[in-house]
Amino acid sequence: GDSVTQMEGPVTLSEEAFLTINCTYTATGYPSLFWYVQYPGEGLQLLLKATKADDKGSNKGFEATYRKETTSFHLEKGSVQVSDSAVYFCALSDAGSNYKLTFGKGTLLTVNP
Amino acid sequence: DGGITQSPKYLFRKEGQNVTLSCEQNLNHDAMYWYRQDPGQGLRLIYYSQIVNDFQKGDIAEGYSVSREKKESFPLTVTSAQKNPTAFYLCASSIGRERNTGELFFGEGSRLTVL
Repeated sequence: GDSVTQMEGPVTLSEEAFLTINCTYTATGYPSLFWYVQYPGEGLQLLLKATKADDKGSNKGFEATYRKETTSFHLEKGSVQVSDSAVYFCALSDAGSNYKLTFGKGTLLTVNP
Repeated sequence: DGGITQSPKYLFRKEGQNVTLSCEQNLNHDAMYWYRQDPGQGLRLIYYSQIVNDFQKGDIAEGYSVSREKKESFPLTVTSAQKNPTAFYLCASSIGRERNTGELFFGEGSRLTVL
C-alpha cells in the first residue's frame, strides 16, 4: 500500500536559516504529492503540491520538487521566519487508493528569533 | 467565504457518554472525511464519505459513527465504545469523484477531552 516517510522532528532553527524537511514515498501508481502546514491549535492548510514528475510546487518561499527517480518530495525554504513555526505534513494521493490522502507523521519546526 | 466549519472547538465529556461533533461545508464538495490526530502519530482516517447517503470506514472506525444525509454535513459521533477518545478531531472535504486530485480542505478542528 501507499506510505509516506518524513523526517522525524522536532527541528529547531534560528531565523534566516535554511530549512530542509525530507519526505519519501511508496506508491503503486503515479501519485500527486502535497505538503500541508498546521499552525498551533488549527487545522491543516495546503502549502504546496505537485501532480507529476519533475513538477515543482512553491508557495510562501517554500519549494518542493517531485522526484520520481528517488521517490522524494523534500520541502525547502531558503530563509525561515519565526512565523514558519508549525507542524509540516507530507502526503500523497493516487487513483489506486481512490484519492484518499496518505499522510506522514508530521515534523514540528520551531524557529527562534 | 467558502470553507469548513467544525463545532464545538472544545468539548469535555464524561466517560460513558456519547458526543457528536459537527462538520459543515459550503464548498459544494462531494467528499468529506474525519481524521483523528494524536501527538506524534500524525493523522489517522476514521470515516469518509464520497457521496450523500454513503460512507466507508477508515483505518480506526471502531467506537465511532457517522451519517451523511446532506451534502453539506458530515457529523461524527464518538460513542462510549471508543476506549481512548481524548484527541483532536479534524474534518476535511475534497471535490471528489472524477475531478478529485486528493487535495483536502480542512476545518479548524475540535478538541475532545474525556474527564
